[in-house]
Amino acid sequence: AQKITQTQPGMFVQEKEAVTLDCTYDTSDPSYGLFWYKQPSSGEMIFLIYQGSYDQQNATEGRYSLNFQKARKSANLVISASQLGDSAMYFCAMRKQGGSEKLVFGKGTKLTVNP
Amino acid sequence: NAGVTQTPKFQVLKTGQSMTLQCAQDMNHNSMYWYRQDPGMGLRLIYYSASEGTTDKGEVPNGYNVSRLNKREFSLRLESAAPSQTSVYFCASSDLGKSRNGYTFGSGTRLTVV
Repeated sequence: AQKITQTQPGMFVQEKEAVTLDCTYDTSDPSYGLFWYKQPSSGEMIFLIYQGSYDQQNATEGRYSLNFQKARKSANLVISASQLGDSAMYFCAMRKQGGSEKLVFGKGTKLTVNP
Repeated sequence: NAGVTQTPKFQVLKTGQSMTLQCAQDMNHNSMYWYRQDPGMGLRLIYYSASEGTTDKGEVPNGYNVSRLNKREFSLRLESAAPSQTSVYFCASSDLGKSRNGYTFGSGTRLTVV
């Protein structure tokens, strides 16, 4: 069975600094995808970034990058130059490629950006 | 705008009442999903439909039923609501085979069972 672990219930960062949100996963499947979602206080789920298990390079999307360490089964999200609008819940998720492609979510990390 | 539409956005039920949460997507996605979100628990899969005409149980299916009415619509029914079903419910859709795309989520339904 697939499992996602986010060990940081809450994180604080100063505006303009970088922050890393941790995510470890467990799967026996060789082909899988890893996702990060942002949920602001308004409640919607916003897709941020994707990393495939066979991707040779770490994914980047603007200020978001994914530090993918396959051997350690970790997929940490790095947010550079934090902004007040980055304050939100962040969820790491994984899905097995193929089949129904269900997403399994971690419990989330609440990020607070301080001015 | 294209996306996933959920109705209603808010609902209060009495214990034992029934209701159906509606979800429709206009992205021509094959797969649709229902999740519930509880504080400190992340999102947990209730039911999913990999394609029109098929449905399967997820992690927490007890107390729920679903119907994949057509490719666009996937409804979630609570036959006899219980306080433990107080939660925020999200519908989502995805396009099988386009793995790099995330799910598209609806805006959620906040359900309170008293």
